[in-house]
Amino acid sequence: DIQMTQSPSSLSAFLGDTVTITCRTSQSIGTYLHWYQLKPGEAPKLLIYGVSGFLREVPSRFTGSGSGTEFTLTISGLQPEDSGIYFCQHTYLKPPWTFGQGTKVEIK
Amino acid sequence: EVQLVESGGGLVQPGGSLTLSCAASGLSVSGSFMNWVRQAPGKGLEWLSTIYGNGDTFHADSVRGRFTISRLSSKNVLFFQMNSLRIEDTAVYFCTAMLSGAGHSYAIDLWGQGTTVTVSS
Repeated sequence: DIQMTQSPSSLSAFLGDTVTITCRTSQSIGTYLHWYQLKPGEAPKLLIYGVSGFLREVPSRFTGSGSGTEFTLTISGLQPEDSGIYFCQHTYLKPPWTFGQGTKVEIK
Repeated sequence: EVQLVESGGGLVQPGGSLTLSCAASGLSVSGSFMNWVRQAPGKGLEWLSTIYGNGDTFHADSVRGRFTISRLSSKNVLFFQMNSLRIEDTAVYFCTAMLSGAGHSYAIDLWGQGTTVTVSS
């Protein structure tokens, strides 16, 4: 099974800051890496698919990058509504399709 | 509107059973990869189970042998039969779909609102 290591586990930043969350996998997973946002009482929301794929409904300040075993989610210009927990997930080959441990983002 | 609506959650004693249902609208449960994902209190997301369009099923080690994913295509409903429930199975359970399939590299792009399962004596 592919292991996911997400860091940091939490971060606190000011409005307008740029923050980066990293996800490392135990083996190369091609482009099968995705990012989700979770807010209390809400269903998780897909932010980025396939490492860097954009979705029309997601603000452009969210960008994904990476390759091989190291991937990043960058939030450029942090907004109040960006507080929440962010997860990476791989869907490489067959399940299990593990999630990262999550990163809690707090706005100072 | 494309949506997934879960039901069947509730309070159950350890060792008990529960069946979750997920009614799909605007998509076919047989035409997409469908999954169950959970979030325990204060914990992260945990992938639990997937059913392919061809009927192949996969389960996480934590639930294999106790939980079973299935579907009823005629009613367009996904199920999650949960037996031998443990306290640590307490969580919000999400029904999910990989609606765009390969187009989104099999990301989960549709989530239900979740149903809460509490295992307690």
